[in-house]
Amino acid sequence: VQLGQSGAEVKQPGASVKVSCRISGYTVTELSLHWVRQAPGKGPEWLGGFDPEDGERIYTEKFQGRVTMTEDASTDTAYMDLSGLRSEDTAVYYCVSPLPEDGAFEIWGQGTLVTVSS
Amino acid sequence: EIVMTQSPATLSVSPGERATLSCRASQSISHRLAWYQQKPGQAPRLLIYSTSTRATGIPARFSGSGSGTEFTLTISSLQSEDSAVYYCQQYNNWPLITFGQGTRLEIK
Repeated sequence: VQLGQSGAEVKQPGASVKVSCRISGYTVTELSLHWVRQAPGKGPEWLGGFDPEDGERIYTEKFQGRVTMTEDASTDTAYMDLSGLRSEDTAVYYCVSPLPEDGAFEIWGQGTLVTVSS
Repeated sequence: EIVMTQSPATLSVSPGERATLSCRASQSISHRLAWYQQKPGQAPRLLIYSTSTRATGIPARFSGSGSGTEFTLTISSLQSEDSAVYYCQQYNNWPLITFGQGTRLEIK
């Protein structure tokens, strides 16, 4: 499995950003993709992902209402849309795929730097 | 939310020696803990999952132990390429996942 992400973005406060993650080696429906971000000098932070037990996407409470994760099966591409951007959203955003039958994140995309600045 | 606390923040060890990194969970997470290695400009790389199982391609000098709330990553016979930041991650409350703040390992 390989995850290839879209390029860096610079956005103004209040804007939205959409990051894509192209999957190769598997189809998007075979993976339960998640999204993790990492602000400069900080540890990773989980945003949300697909829960195969429920068949639904779940988002961390901190981002409820601001983040939307979708998939396009025709292109095997996943998307993460974050709205209402503020300076503290400046981070590298990763799409990740967990191990089968385990919650550890085995496969990581290369990351997409999103910079929020006026 | 389960809070993960790593110690020490920075560790400096000589080549060939052993490094011991700690991770504490704010509540019991059974064995559902992973360790990652991150080098500058790279995505984190999975080292250990389920507390003690090495991921594919990870050398045997990396080992993990612990249970409940206290966990340890041990790197024996340190090499220069082991210089990195190491993160622990809990996934007991799947899919509500949390990471520690990291330990920076420096090779003297």
